[in-house]
Amino acid sequence: EVQLVQSGAEVKKPGESLKISCKGSGYSFTSYWIGWVRQMPGKGLEWMGIIYPGDSDTRYSPSFQGQVTISADKSISTAYLQWSSLKASDTAMYYCARQGGGMDVWGQGTTVTVSS
Amino acid sequence: EIVMTQSPATLSVSPGERATLSCRASQSVSSNLAWYQQKPGQAPRLLIYGASTRATGIPARFSGSGSGTEFTLTISSLQSEDFAVYYCQQYNNWPVTFGQGTKLEIK
Repeated sequence: EVQLVQSGAEVKKPGESLKISCKGSGYSFTSYWIGWVRQMPGKGLEWMGIIYPGDSDTRYSPSFQGQVTISADKSISTAYLQWSSLKASDTAMYYCARQGGGMDVWGQGTTVTVSS
Repeated sequence: EIVMTQSPATLSVSPGERATLSCRASQSVSSNLAWYQQKPGQAPRLLIYGASTRATGIPARFSGSGSGTEFTLTISSLQSEDFAVYYCQQYNNWPVTFGQGTKLEIK
């Protein structure tokens, strides 16, 4: 079964760092782009950026460039999304998804709550 | 950045009727357009890619059409499980962008 499994919910304070993960299985992880999508409470989907684990080619939305870092470790079929200094406005659900013709496989989502 | 605009924001339709959702791109995206369904508390699900190709396991009542800048998602006979939020997404250019969503509600 093709699946993406994300790490669990996080509760952090402003200014803290965080790295969440997305582990792929059931397919060739290095052959598909993996994208990250933010969904703030009660809002729509926002595409943040994407990585090709085969060569680590990474693209960011201008809205998220410099705010987050996307990376991957192909040896363990895992992509990451990280923040160096969280803000309250980073509170959201974050999804990873495999990007082929459309995003055809989604992780279950990771809830990030940033509160003092 | 390509802006995707969906209309209407909310659509009220009775079960068994047809629903037509629209998506417009600020510039041509060829046929590199996908549609997603999202229900409360769930991850989005891919319905349509390539503007008109149904994803695996998607019922035939869902159909997509269009190319360039104008796209339509049609649900031919609404079932109770179809009431959800629908998003279009272009993947022709970086950055990939989503529309703001159309909420399909029961009339």
